[in-house]
Amino acid sequence: QSVLTQPPSVSGAPGQRVTISCTGSSSNIGAGYAVNWYQHLPGTAPKLLIYVNNDRPSGVPDRFSASKSGASASLAITGLQAEDEADYYCQSYDSSLSEGVFGTGTKVTVL
Amino acid sequence: EVQLVESGGGRVKPGGSLRLSCAASGFRFTSHSMDWVRQAPGKGLEWVSSISSNSYKYYADSVKGRFTISRDNARNSLYLQMNSLRAEDTAIYYCARLAAASGYYFDYWGQGALVSVSS
Repeated sequence: QSVLTQPPSVSGAPGQRVTISCTGSSSNIGAGYAVNWYQHLPGTAPKLLIYVNNDRPSGVPDRFSASKSGASASLAITGLQAEDEADYYCQSYDSSLSEGVFGTGTKVTVL
Repeated sequence: EVQLVESGGGRVKPGGSLRLSCAASGFRFTSHSMDWVRQAPGKGLEWVSSISSNSYKYYADSVKGRFTISRDNARNSLYLQMNSLRAEDTAIYYCARLAAASGYYFDYWGQGALVSVSS
């Protein structure tokens, strides 16, 4: 049972901007733990997209950005492209559970 | 180039056992905690277990007492011994490297090993 809540799906036309929310609590995001984001295409290895709130690994385009406020975070994709169609997960650490926790996941569809 | 390659997946009956392996290369294995994360059919990612560089072990409540994580630093390998398997353990199991920097994130993942528990 995920402790980080995301919308099941978001969609947008090519070139548009979409955002994905990630809602946590006072024992994870609200406690100040970093939020990280992953892109996952079924059948492939998940890919680190954003780490420590808003840093991008080399090779990740700057169309992807993230922010964090209080016990929530969000991922924004600008200039949406067909290749962005995938599942996206937020992830943080939970001090009550003493383990890493993932969001429920959001499927991004490019119309 | 960092590579993580899982093996050992397969089909097993409820109550059975299976051992997953993850061969790591391209980085200093001893400098990183290593984790197992799984994805059940139609579900999201779920953290399973973690082992620190000095072999402290952590488990999700759903697998505690049934799964054992271990590592062989000489062989650059990570393992997950899964006993008393249940249907709900059916999933793709990913080996993931915990970044050495602060922030608790997984910077590299394997392609996954499929575990199917069915009678």
